[in-house]
Amino acid sequence: GAVVSQHPSWVICKSGTSVKIECRSLDFQATTMFWYRQFPKQSLMLMATSNEGSKATYEQGVEKDKFLINHASLTLSTLTVTSAHPEDSSFYICSAGDTVYGYTFGSGTRLTVV
Amino acid sequence: GEDVEQSLFLSVREGDSSVINCTYTDSSSTYLYWYKQEPGAGLQLLTYIFSNMDMKQDQRLTVLLNKKDKHLSLRIADTQTGDSAIYFCAEAPNSGNTPLVFGKGTRLSVIA
Repeated sequence: GAVVSQHPSWVICKSGTSVKIECRSLDFQATTMFWYRQFPKQSLMLMATSNEGSKATYEQGVEKDKFLINHASLTLSTLTVTSAHPEDSSFYICSAGDTVYGYTFGSGTRLTVV
Repeated sequence: GEDVEQSLFLSVREGDSSVINCTYTDSSSTYLYWYKQEPGAGLQLLTYIFSNMDMKQDQRLTVLLNKKDKHLSLRIADTQTGDSAIYFCAEAPNSGNTPLVFGKGTRLSVIA
């Protein structure tokens, strides 16, 4: 079946630095990638939707200059958290959308900013 | 906008059946999903149902859909301690092109 590989699984970074999270679709082409954020004991909050080769569409309240999304190919999408601060600490999950396989989720990245 | 509601907690004894309920508001919802999330992990797709179906069974899992009432349920037969997790209901008008709308999740606790 469809698999999305998300890396890293966890990362600890210093405040003010940037962190890149990668999501790769391994055996299919992800025409659409969704990025979510999940706070402890809460549901998934959609951050943005990206289609290959075009700019991401951000949800209201999500800073596009802080959460940079790149979807340069049909198999790779990246989320970069720029100038990270402790309040950016969270669980980030990507989901590849495809009309054949539906939604395939990555395993998530736990970001801790110290 | 679309909204998906779930009860937050459910506690059952091992061996009993669990029923997790979900309601949604978007009448154009075509695809309805159930995901399982264990602590610190990503989401695992359990099952899904199309809006033109009333029921779907997959081993211990049974999904019932009442489209008129916009009510979805997930029944887990012979619940085991390994079933303890958070279960998310999610819906989308089509598959893969639009983002899923998630409920807040139901935390299932299985008592041995």
